[in-house]
Amino acid sequence: DIQMTQSPSFLSASVGDRVTITCRASQSISNFLNWYRQKPGKAPKLLIYAASSLQSGVPSSFSGSGSGTDFTLTISSLQPEDFATYYCQQSYTTPRSFGQGTKLEIK
Amino acid sequence: QVQLVQSGAEVKKPGASVKVSCRASGYTFTGYYIHWVRQAPGQGLEWMGRINPNSGGTTFAQKFQGRVTMTRDTSSSTAYMELSRLRSDDTAVYYCAREVTSTARGLDVWGQGTTVTVSS
Repeated sequence: DIQMTQSPSFLSASVGDRVTITCRASQSISNFLNWYRQKPGKAPKLLIYAASSLQSGVPSSFSGSGSGTDFTLTISSLQPEDFATYYCQQSYTTPRSFGQGTKLEIK
Repeated sequence: QVQLVQSGAEVKKPGASVKVSCRASGYTFTGYYIHWVRQAPGQGLEWMGRINPNSGGTTFAQKFQGRVTMTRDTSSSTAYMELSRLRSDDTAVYYCAREVTSTARGLDVWGQGTTVTVSS
């Protein structure tokens, strides 16, 4: 099975800050990497698919990059609604493993 | 609009089974996998498996092999996930989500979640 490891697990930032979250796969997954945001008590929401493609309706403040085993999610200017937990997920093969999550908190 | 609507919360005793439904609307049901993902209280997302509504073919995470069944009813555009021999650590919110079958573009529509509580 492919293991997905995110860093950091916790991140404190302020509105307007630029933040980056990293996701590493235990083997190459090409660009089959997706990013989700989950707010408390809600279902996850797809932000980025295929490593760098912005899902329809998602603000352009979100961007993704990477291929192979190393990937990043960048939020260029944090908004209040962005304080949530972020997950990466590989869709290269089954089982479709998720990272452990990165909780983004207000500083 | 495109949506997945799940069945309501369940409370079960250890050893029992639970069956959660996920009704799709607003799109061609057979054109998208339905995945099941669960989240224990305060924990991360755990992928359980998926079903191809067109063929009925399933793939499960090793952890759930032998305990999980995924089925679908194309006449009502509904997918089902049944988990048997429930334990207390199966207490979680269970989500269904769709993924287009032709390309692995992520889970773009999610159900609202079904809370399953396992308690004696």
